[in-house]
Amino acid sequence: QITLKESGPTLMKPTQTLTLTCTFSGFSLTTGGVGVGWIRRPPGKALEWLALIYWNDDKHYSPFLKSRLSITKYTSKNQVVLTLTNMDPVDTATYYCAHKMDYVGWFGPWGQGTLVTVSS
Amino acid sequence: SYVLTQPPSVSVAPGQTARISCWGDNLGRNVVHWYQQKPGQAPVLVVNDDSDRPSGIPERFSGSNSGNTATLTISRVEVGDEADYSCQVWDSNRPVFGGGTKLTVL
Repeated sequence: QITLKESGPTLMKPTQTLTLTCTFSGFSLTTGGVGVGWIRRPPGKALEWLALIYWNDDKHYSPFLKSRLSITKYTSKNQVVLTLTNMDPVDTATYYCAHKMDYVGWFGPWGQGTLVTVSS
Repeated sequence: SYVLTQPPSVSVAPGQTARISCWGDNLGRNVVHWYQQKPGQAPVLVVNDDSDRPSGIPERFSGSNSGNTATLTISRVEVGDEADYSCQVWDSNRPVFGGGTKLTVL
């Protein structure tokens, strides 16, 4: 059974750097084709894809946030870490990580999400 | 950038059929996936690749995609189907999500 869980700060101040950790089980990022993505959902708004990393360290970023994002995998720990620099109140959202295979276009399963609020 | 448009809300009585639309330019040439998200819960894939149903998803959920419109159809709607539904495609090597549709079961 695949499970994922996000962890990180719940409250941040503007200009700070967000670091979120996705800890997963039921699969390995050493297995060919496996990936983990990050997606967020601001309150009352649409889902927004942020970043994706595959087993071979192939990384992809949202073109709208690329300059602020970084994604890294720690295979021995079964973790994927996302950093987002220069946080702003508009970055307030629930952040999700999700499993993905490189030969499919959909994400799943997803973690439960973690709400990050940015406020001065 | 590619835009997927969904109606903000759809209402249906229990036992009726709900149809949730997703519009995009030449969407029928793309492959559409649908997610269900209940309050406080993670999104769950309910239809992939236009019309396939993942294991564990009831047969009441079905999908279609043609022209500029993809449709998620939920037959014999239950109170437990009340949720937000989002469509998703890939464009220019990145996933794109629709704005989401809140399904209310009256």
